[in-house]
Amino acid sequence: DVQMTQSPSSLSASVGDRVTITCRASRSVSNYLNWYQQKPGKAPELLIYAASILTSGVPSRFSGSGSGTDFSLTISSLQPEDFATYYCQQSFTTPAFGQGTRLEIK
Amino acid sequence: EVHLVESGGGLVKPGGSLRLACAASGFSFDNAWMTWVRQAPGKGLEWVGRIKGNSDGGTTDYAAPVKGRFTISKDDSRNTLYLQMNSLETEDTAVYFCSKYDWNDGEHYYFQSWGQGTLVTVSS
Repeated sequence: DVQMTQSPSSLSASVGDRVTITCRASRSVSNYLNWYQQKPGKAPELLIYAASILTSGVPSRFSGSGSGTDFSLTISSLQPEDFATYYCQQSFTTPAFGQGTRLEIK
Repeated sequence: EVHLVESGGGLVKPGGSLRLACAASGFSFDNAWMTWVRQAPGKGLEWVGRIKGNSDGGTTDYAAPVKGRFTISKDDSRNTLYLQMNSLETEDTAVYFCSKYDWNDGEHYYFQSWGQGTLVTVSS
């Protein structure tokens, strides 16, 4: 099984900040990596798939990069609605999620 | 538009059983790959298992913590996915979401459509 590790586990930032969340796979998953956003009491929402492809309707301030074992999700300029928990998920084998990164308002 | 609605959650004692359902609409259910993902209170997302579409054999796969205790099935005539949970443990307490596999170019899959979730509480 491929394990996913995100860092940091939590992050405090301000509106307008640029933030980056990283995700590391226990072995190479090529570019089979997805990112989700989840707000309290809601189902996750897909942001990015295949490591860097933005889902339709997702603002362009979100971007993803990486391949192999190291990936990142960047939000170029935080907006109030972006404060949420973010998960990576590998789709190279049976699915596995990272433990999540909680993005909080500073 | 894809629509997924879970039901069947509730309170059950350790060792008990429960069956969750996920009513689907807006897509061709019989050939869709479907999955269950759970989230324990205050914790992250955990993949539970999946069932492949009929054209891919309709076979199932499970995560290690639930293998042998949980069974995924579907009724194509009702467009409904099921999760039969037996020998429940307190660690199975979670919100259970159903979702649908979607693919980009037939290789990269992802979960774009989700139900609202149903809460299962295992407690004496």
